[in-house]
Amino acid sequence: AQKITQTQPGMFVQEKEAVTLDCTYDTSDQSYGLFWYKQPSSGEMIFLIYQGSYDEQNATEGRYSLNFQKARKSANLVISASQLGDSAMYFCAMRDGYGGATNKLIFGTGTLLAVQP
Amino acid sequence: DAGVIQSPRHEVTEMGQEVTLRCKPISGHDYLFWYRQTMMRGLELLIYFNNNVPIDDSGMPEDRFSAKMPNASFSTLKIQPSEPRDSAVYFCAIALGSSNEQYFGPGTRLTVT
Repeated sequence: AQKITQTQPGMFVQEKEAVTLDCTYDTSDQSYGLFWYKQPSSGEMIFLIYQGSYDEQNATEGRYSLNFQKARKSANLVISASQLGDSAMYFCAMRDGYGGATNKLIFGTGTLLAVQP
Repeated sequence: DAGVIQSPRHEVTEMGQEVTLRCKPISGHDYLFWYRQTMMRGLELLIYFNNNVPIDDSGMPEDRFSAKMPNASFSTLKIQPSEPRDSAVYFCAIALGSSNEQYFGPGTRLTVT
């Protein structure tokens, strides 16, 4: 069965520093997708970044990058130059299949990030 | 931009009452998902639709839960009868088949007393 593991319940980071949020996954599928979502205190779920299992380059979106290590089954999120507005819960998720949105997402338990001034 | 409207945003009801949560996508999509978020279980997929047809409802907890999508612009999630353990935030999300993103609505916070 597929599983997403986020081992860091909470993290602190100083403003303007970089932070890495860990995510490991377990699947027997060759084709899959990995996602990160941000959930601020207001409650909405905000899509941040996506990595396909066959993508050779690590995904980047502005200050967000995904450190994809396929052999280790890890998909860590790196936030560079942290800002106070980055304080939120961050969820890693996985989907069967490659490309498209044909299948359900399985979410990790989340990491609560606090950015300190 | 994709968007989702959910109503009500907050619902407080007594145990045994029927609850209907509503989702209205405001842009084109192929897929619609209902998720539930609780402290104990995190985010769970309840059911999803493709072109208004239910594809996977294995996450629906029990027969008290039902979901419909009568057209591409509207979906409901009904709980009858409601129980205190149904208290959660319920999210509706949409996606286009060609996209890798699922766009979430703001959620409905349900409290069953």
